[in-house]
Amino acid sequence: GENVEQHPSTLSVQEGDSAVIKCTYSDSASNYFPWYKQELGKGPQLIIDIRSNVGEKKDQRIAVTLNKTAKHFSLHITETQPEDSAVYFCAAWGGSQGNLIFGKGTKLSVKP
Amino acid sequence: NAGVMQNPRHLVRRRGQEARLRCSPMKGHSHVYWYRQLPEEGLKFMVYLQKENIIDESGMPKERFSAEFPKEGPSILRIQQVVRGDSAAYFCASSQVMGDEQYFGPGTRLTVT
Repeated sequence: GENVEQHPSTLSVQEGDSAVIKCTYSDSASNYFPWYKQELGKGPQLIIDIRSNVGEKKDQRIAVTLNKTAKHFSLHITETQPEDSAVYFCAAWGGSQGNLIFGKGTKLSVKP
Repeated sequence: NAGVMQNPRHLVRRRGQEARLRCSPMKGHSHVYWYRQLPEEGLKFMVYLQKENIIDESGMPKERFSAEFPKEGPSILRIQQVVRGDSAAYFCASSQVMGDEQYFGPGTRLTVT
């Protein structure tokens, strides 16, 4: 079955800097890759997603890139702000089943 | 446009009791997914349901756990004879169709004493 690896597990940046989180997946049939932000005590919030027919997608300060050949995708946050501090999860969907397979998360800390 | 609703938000049960967790999907969504999250870990899939049908329960323990999504009312995740290892946050997500965006509820935090 699908397996998703996420790195790094923790990331600390200065306010205004960029943050990059990387994920790899194992199943070449996977074709949908969402990113979630989870704040303490809350449910995961969908922040951006990408499907396998595109290589990059942007939404204001966040962007996601996908490399199908290498089977990896990345989240890019530019001009980070303290409110970006949270745990970020990547996930993959394989198409033949309903559930998402999640990475283990990256705890992002943005220092003012 | 109300999001995914879950209740209760916090639930405390003694070992051996039953826990019932409820999830109401977003309006217009007929696909519901339950995930479990242990402290400092990612989300693990448990079960996927459509109205009145269990589509995939491969992530749910065979004993003590059951789920339903009746024609009317919320989806229910039921844990019988809870043990300390069941303590976790349980999240429900919903989507309009399979493979579509999944939106999560705020979760139910179960503590077994």
